[in-house]
Amino acid sequence: AQSVTQLGSHVSVSEGALVLLRCNYSSSVPPYLFWYVQYPNQGLQLLLKYTTGATLVKGINGFEAEFKKSETSFHLTKPSAHMSDAAEYFCAVTLNSGYSTLTFGKGTMLLVSP
Amino acid sequence: ETGVTQSPTHLIKTRGQQVTLRCSSQSGHNTVSWYQQALGQGPQFIFQYYREEENGRGNFPPRFSGLQFPNYSSELNVNALELDDSALYLCASSLGRNQPQHFGDGTRLSIL
Repeated sequence: AQSVTQLGSHVSVSEGALVLLRCNYSSSVPPYLFWYVQYPNQGLQLLLKYTTGATLVKGINGFEAEFKKSETSFHLTKPSAHMSDAAEYFCAVTLNSGYSTLTFGKGTMLLVSP
Repeated sequence: ETGVTQSPTHLIKTRGQQVTLRCSSQSGHNTVSWYQQALGQGPQFIFQYYREEENGRGNFPPRFSGLQFPNYSSELNVNALELDDSALYLCASSLGRNQPQHFGDGTRLSIL
């Protein structure tokens, strides 16, 4: 079984500041890891994914995440926050199994102030 | 390229009723997954369909059922609706069972 823990239900940053959203996972086998973003009244949009290979993954909108197996972490970062980044962010894990069910964290709401 | 579309966008039902939600997968995608997202929570996996067969199920009772059609569109049916079924229901499609999932905007179901 797998699980995801996102530390902090809300994170507030100023425009231009570093964004750091934390995600830790639990998995009995090597996982696939994802970050999704959800804007109000919309579905989830894939930001980036880690499957195998390079542990630093770059995604859309300037976001990146680093897979750290020793820390079981997959934190999401962005060097400089924009107002348009305000949304809810979900970390998710799946196993390389017969079906790709995603297990999501509870989400972190990113608030960006001017 | 048309993305994942869901209908209706909003729905209001009363306890005990039945509901059908619909999802058209992205072009070429043969796998559809359904998720329930309660307010303030992350999405919870309901089930997945791959080439018209159920290919995995989460911890949901049998009154949650589904179908996938030859064109890979899908339906989610919920019988005997309960107040706790109020949620955003998300459909996601993918090119295969282990490929990244692309989500629709969801159907918001309210139970009175």
